[in-house]
Amino acid sequence: KQEVTQIPAALSVPEGENLVLNCSFTDSAIYNLQWFRQDPGKGLTSLLLIQSSQREQTSGRLNASLDKSSGRSTLYIAASQPGDSATYLCAVRDPMNRDDKIIFGKGTRLHILP
Amino acid sequence: KAGVTQTPRYLIKTRGQQVTLSCSPISGHRSVSWYQQTPGQGLQFLFEYFSETQRNKGNFPGRFSGRQFSNSRSEMNVSTLELGDSALYLCASSQQGAIDTQYFGPGTRLTVL
Repeated sequence: KQEVTQIPAALSVPEGENLVLNCSFTDSAIYNLQWFRQDPGKGLTSLLLIQSSQREQTSGRLNASLDKSSGRSTLYIAASQPGDSATYLCAVRDPMNRDDKIIFGKGTRLHILP
Repeated sequence: KAGVTQTPRYLIKTRGQQVTLSCSPISGHRSVSWYQQTPGQGLQFLFEYFSETQRNKGNFPGRFSGRQFSNSRSEMNVSTLELGDSALYLCASSQQGAIDTQYFGPGTRLTVL
């Protein structure tokens, strides 16, 4: 059974610093992995989608990497800003699970200190 | 393009009642998925519809059901509400489903008293 873990559950970082968020999954046979951010009480905003054949994706100050063999993905945020404060979730699409579900981690709550 | 919309945004019900939530996907998207988010369990997949057919289903009891219309709009129904059904219900749309980026709506906050 696929499990997705995000450690740490919460993180505080001074403004301007670069940071890395981690996501690990137990079964490497995935369709893709997606990173989202969620602001309090709101829906999810898609940040980056990495297909299983890709190693990384970049969008602005964000870079996501995928290492299927080790079951890991990282989200790198450069030059952090207070507006980056949110909960970041990763999710994997798991074809080995016969129901082909998308499975989410519990998220990392990020707080950027002004 | 307009984003994913969900109605209503907030709902208060009592135990035993039933509720219907609505989701309108981004124009041109044929896949709609539903999720339940609670503080304890996080985000859990409910089901996915594609071209009016349920394609996938999560591990939820039969009280949770859904459907999709020919215009891709989707509804989710929960019958015989329980206190534990209190949650944020999110829907997401994508063009094809599995390999595409999912775009989420703002959610419906359901409170069961």
